[in-house]
Formats: sequence, structure tokens, C-alpha cells
Amino acid sequence: QVQLQESGPGLVQPSETLSLTCTVSGVSINNYYWSWIRQPPGRGLEWIGYIYYTGSTNYNPSLTSRLTLSVDTSKNQFSLRLRSVTAADTAVYYCARHPTYDSRAFDIWGQGTMVTVSS
Amino acid sequence: QPVLTQPPSASGTPGQRVTVSCSGSGSNIGSNHVYWYQQLPGTAPKLLIYKNIQRPSGVPDRFSGSKSGPSASLAISGLRSDDEADYYCAAWDDSLSGYVFGTGTKVTVL
Repeated sequence: QVQLQESGPGLVQPSETLSLTCTVSGVSINNYYWSWIRQPPGRGLEWIGYIYYTGSTNYNPSLTSRLTLSVDTSKNQFSLRLRSVTAADTAVYYCARHPTYDSRAFDIWGQGTMVTVSS
Repeated sequence: QPVLTQPPSASGTPGQRVTVSCSGSGSNIGSNHVYWYQQLPGTAPKLLIYKNIQRPSGVPDRFSGSKSGPSASLAISGLRSDDEADYYCAAWDDSLSGYVFGTGTKVTVL
């Protein structure tokens, strides 16, 4: 059974860097695309960016200047770093898989982790 | 910021058919596949429809998708109480070179 689990601090200070890791179990991270998606409280979904197991990336243009995605195939993990955060970055952050049958779908999601930006 | 427009709410009684619309543009729905996700309260979204009309294994055929030009629709037939959820459409946007989601529709079973 494929499972994704987000981990990282639940509270980040304004202007600091938000760092999250998604640990994949039940399948190799190889040969898949992996995305991060977030959802501010009471609001809709926003795609953050995706990374291929080779390390190639594609970011949401609105976040490109602050965002770095990385992958560690030896640990079956991929990570997100978002710099210079503000209260607007407060959200539930999800990691998700793109299936091989349709690389533009998100078929498996993590349970999500709430990140609050506040002093 | 979402660029796909959905009605904020839709409702029906058990057994009825409910439809949710999703309006986009030529750079997203008009030229790419549409996806639908169901988000039950307090949970992560779940893939309902991919490539406009396809259902992943395990999704009942009560859920169906359609697309015409820059718009798409999700239909739920035989509405059940456990269909109460938020529903989001999504598509790749060629102009943004990224994924865009709809504004979301809350479906209520009366």
C-alpha cells in the first residue's frame, strides 16, 4: 500500500524558511513525479510545484523566487523549502504522487500537515 | 489564485442527481484534460475523475465527468449522504506552465 507522510515544524517565524519532507512508503520514489499542494484555512487548493525523481522541477510562477524542491532517492523522500515566509503561507501542506497512467493527476496524497506562520 | 471558476455550493436530496460546473479558458480546460477531486471534511483530497471522464479503480460509476470547450462538469447520480464534501476541478494551464485548481464547490445532501 502506497503511503505518503509529511513532516516538519508546525510553526514558523515570519521571514524564516519553511521546510517540509514527504516520506514515501510502499513504492520506490523512482520513475514518478511528486508534487506539493497547499490549502490555507477555509480556502481552496494551490499547487506549489513538482519534482521528478531525477531532480528536475517545475514551480508555481507565483512562488518560484522563494521555493526549492529536492529529492533524496536513497531515503525515498522529497522535500520543500520556502523562504521568507509570511502569514499568507499559513496552510495545510500536502504532498502527492503523479501516477504513471496519467502524469497530470494526483492519485495518492499525504494526510497533510498544518504550518502556521506567526511570531 | 484559482483560475477555474466553480459555483460555491450545490445541493440535492438523497437519490437525486447533482452537477458541478467548472469554467476555465483556452489555456487550461480548453487544451488540457480536466481532473476532479473530492475532499471530505478534515481529510486530504481524493482523485475522482482523470482525463475528463475516466474513473480510478474503486470510484463508483455514480460519479461521471464531461468536458466541452473551456468548461467541464462533474455529475453525481444517486446522491448519498456520504457524498457531502468539497469538490475541486483541476487542469494544467499552458500559459502559467502549472496546475490550476477550481474555486471549489461544497455539495450538501439535504
